[in-house]
Amino acid sequence: SAVISQKPSRDICQRGTSLTIQCQVDSQVTMMFWYRQQPGQSLTLIATANQGSEATYESGFVIDKFPISRPNLTFSTLTVSNMSPEDSSIYLCSVRGSTDTQYFGPGTRLTVL
Amino acid sequence: AQTVTQSQPEMSVQEAETVTLSCTYDTSESNYYLFWYKQPPSRQMILVIRQEAYKQQNATENRFSVNFQKAAKSFSLKISDSQLGDTAMYFCASSTRSGGGADGLTFGKGTHLIIQP
Repeated sequence: SAVISQKPSRDICQRGTSLTIQCQVDSQVTMMFWYRQQPGQSLTLIATANQGSEATYESGFVIDKFPISRPNLTFSTLTVSNMSPEDSSIYLCSVRGSTDTQYFGPGTRLTVL
Repeated sequence: AQTVTQSQPEMSVQEAETVTLSCTYDTSESNYYLFWYKQPPSRQMILVIRQEAYKQQNATENRFSVNFQKAAKSFSLKISDSQLGDTAMYFCASSTRSGGGADGLTFGKGTHLIIQP
């Protein structure tokens, strides 16, 4: 399985600001995904990031709020824009491996005050 | 659209016992995958076991096995000889397979499993 890192591991931000989360993989992968895990909840898919094309967003998530970049096959960023306390969550990236299994990064714990 | 349902918010068993976590799902797709992931307090999502829907044989990984009942859309996880390190949140998840490979995962709400010493 791939080794996936995320930066930052955690952050505390003020409302109205933006935070960019980085996801780095140690091998080239076609598909990367971003998930949100609200406190005490399960994971919800935000968007699918395919290299060389626009990200595909799930219902309830929009590009203006969660812009995603995918500049190459080993890297992606997710920005949480104009943050409010409701955005306080763990944000996880994942990659799709050769057996169609998804492997996850360690997550970024975001707290918005 | 897919849905995944886990009806057991929390379970507690003694060390060395066997425990079964329940999961049901709904999908209109014929080609899909089912997974169990474990999330310990470290919050790292760890793959436990994977099942391809077209395979009738139940997947096994050491102490972990599944009971995949396709007609009933049921996918339960059995943990044998449970260990203290098995204490974690367990999430059941599904994904469909489109032309380019597996799509994003749909997760159940999770079951908090506690292994008592």
